[in-house]
Order: sequence, then structure tokens, then C-alpha cells
Amino acid sequence: DAGVTQSPTHLIKTRGQQVTLRCSPISGHKSVSWYQQVLGQGPQFIFQYYEKEERGRGNFPDRFSARQFPNYSSELNVNALLLGDSALYLCASSLSRSGGPDEQFFGPGTRLTVL
Amino acid sequence: AQKVTQAQTEISVVEKEDVTLDCVYETRDTTYYLFWYKQPPSGELVFLIRRNSFDEQNEISGRYSWNFQKSTSSFNFTITASQVVDSAVYFCALRDTGRRALTFGSGTRLQVQP
Repeated sequence: DAGVTQSPTHLIKTRGQQVTLRCSPISGHKSVSWYQQVLGQGPQFIFQYYEKEERGRGNFPDRFSARQFPNYSSELNVNALLLGDSALYLCASSLSRSGGPDEQFFGPGTRLTVL
Repeated sequence: AQKVTQAQTEISVVEKEDVTLDCVYETRDTTYYLFWYKQPPSGELVFLIRRNSFDEQNEISGRYSWNFQKSTSSFNFTITASQVVDSAVYFCALRDTGRRALTFGSGTRLQVQP
């Protein structure tokens, strides 16, 4: 079975531009979460979506937005890019939105560089 | 507030040595879940284990073992007879039932030298 897939793998943008990152969850998983991992740090939670609705949001500015489609794939959008947005963006999928024990399975990430 | 602390930034061992990665967590919840993930140089986080707060039984999986001590809020990870392929960054993470996100520690970089 295919795991979580993300595209693109790498991306280079300049300050002020906008970027869209894409994620396809594991088949049958209805929940998608996005994390930002700055070099040398642990991942930081950005959003969680379940059944196309936002179910959680981390401490990120409004420049960050996301959505989930009927096929459960998801997009993360970042507007007005700043140098500090340079990071590895990880997508994770899980079966449900509950606060229960279901594991989150991560994709390979999109490495965003802002110049 | 939730917090996960991995005090060891980097550990270097020689192959076949045993190594323990420390994890200390903070949460106000009585029900929560603890995780360990491995991040090889490729960047993808690989799930290793999940423990529930109400189950303090330690677990062994091959060369990996985990020691969950609720009294000290610790969830340590031991690799026995380490191998070069174990070289990676290891993250401890916490999720309580009220949140839908994982709170990660800052990670421990393990280098296993041949």
C-alpha cells in the first residue's frame, strides 16, 4: 500500500511569494495534519483536517491556510513568504480525528527554501 | 501546557554498544499517549512505538526497548547492540486526548560509528 505522498519534494521561493504544498494520505485515512520542521528542531503542529473541516490549529499566523478535499487529500498554502518560513513541511495522515491513540504516519516532506 | 524534553542533543556510540535516549514529558491530562519516531537523513518520520498513559508495561521489540515511568514522567528508549543503520534523529512526542496534534521534543541525533 502506498504511504503518505507529498509534492513537490523541494521548492525555492523568494520573499513575498506564495506557495502551495500538496499531500495525499494513506488510502482509508480521513485525517491529515501539517507540521513545520525548522532545521535542528522538532516538528511544530500547523493544522489538522478531518472530513474537510479544520479540527485543530497551531500557533501560526494567518498567512498559513489549508484545506482538505473530498478525496481527503490536502493543500497547505503560505502567503507573503518570509525567510523564517524556510523549513521541511511534513504531512501526516491518520484514521480518525479523535484524541485517541491512532498513530500518525508521515510523508517524506516538502523542503521549502525562501530566499 | 504540554512539553516534551529531550536533553541529549547528540549521542555518538560505536557499533554494538547499547544506547539509551531520554525523554521527559509534561502534561496535565491523566490520559495521554507517548510516541517515538525515527527520522533518517531522508527526512521522513518513521513511527516506532506508541504507549498509553494507563499502560506502564515496558515493551521490547527486537533490539529496541522502551521504559515508561509515570512517576518520573519519562519514556526512555534503548537500542541494544546498536548498528550503523540506527544512525538518525529520534523524536519523542506526546498527545493528550484534548488535543489533536503531536507535541514533539527537539530530538536526539544518534550517530553509530562502525
